[in-house]
Amino acid sequence: AQSVTQPDIHITVSEGASLELRCNYSYGATPYLFWYVQSPGQGLQLLLKYFSGDTLVQGIKGFEAEFKRSQSSFNLRKPSVHWSDAAEYFCAVETGNNRKLIWGLGTSLAVNP
Amino acid sequence: DAGVIQSPRHEVTEMGQEVTLRCKPISGHNSLFWYRQTMMRGLELLIYFNNNVPIDDSGMPEDRFSAKMPNASFSTLKIQPSEPRDSAVYFCASSSRASSTDTQYFGPGTRLTVL
Repeated sequence: AQSVTQPDIHITVSEGASLELRCNYSYGATPYLFWYVQSPGQGLQLLLKYFSGDTLVQGIKGFEAEFKRSQSSFNLRKPSVHWSDAAEYFCAVETGNNRKLIWGLGTSLAVNP
Repeated sequence: DAGVIQSPRHEVTEMGQEVTLRCKPISGHNSLFWYRQTMMRGLELLIYFNNNVPIDDSGMPEDRFSAKMPNASFSTLKIQPSEPRDSAVYFCASSSRASSTDTQYFGPGTRLTVL
């Protein structure tokens, strides 16, 4: 069965530090992969998505993610974190036929000043 | 564009009462999704419509939950009767089926509390 794992429930980084949020998936075919961000009290917003081509994907707000098929991973990165990046981050994989998204449980990011 | 609109933003009700959540998708989008988010279970897809037709309702927890999409610009999620375990944030999302990799756009959610 398809699944998405985000191993880190909560991460704290200092402002200006680099960030990497991990995402591993289990899916038999070529995946469509997504990262969404949820700010407190808000809905989810797409950061970036991968469906083919270059395995390094650029997104909004300075985020990028790299698809590694051999590791079944799609980790999210940012070189320098801002206080406004504090939020919940969700990785998701689209299963294809009926376009359902399978979601990870999320990683909560806190940013220290 | 106004984005996905959900109402109400907050709902507090007593156990046994009927609750109706509303969603207006982005104009021109033909797919609509209802999600439930809780701390324990994360984000769960309840039901998915395409062109107003329910495609997959396997996530609907039980018969107390029902969803309708009478036209392309409106959908409802109804819980009758409501129970305390239904307390959660309910999100509606819409997307365009122009390609299989299109983005789902989320509304701000309805926070439901059942006492």
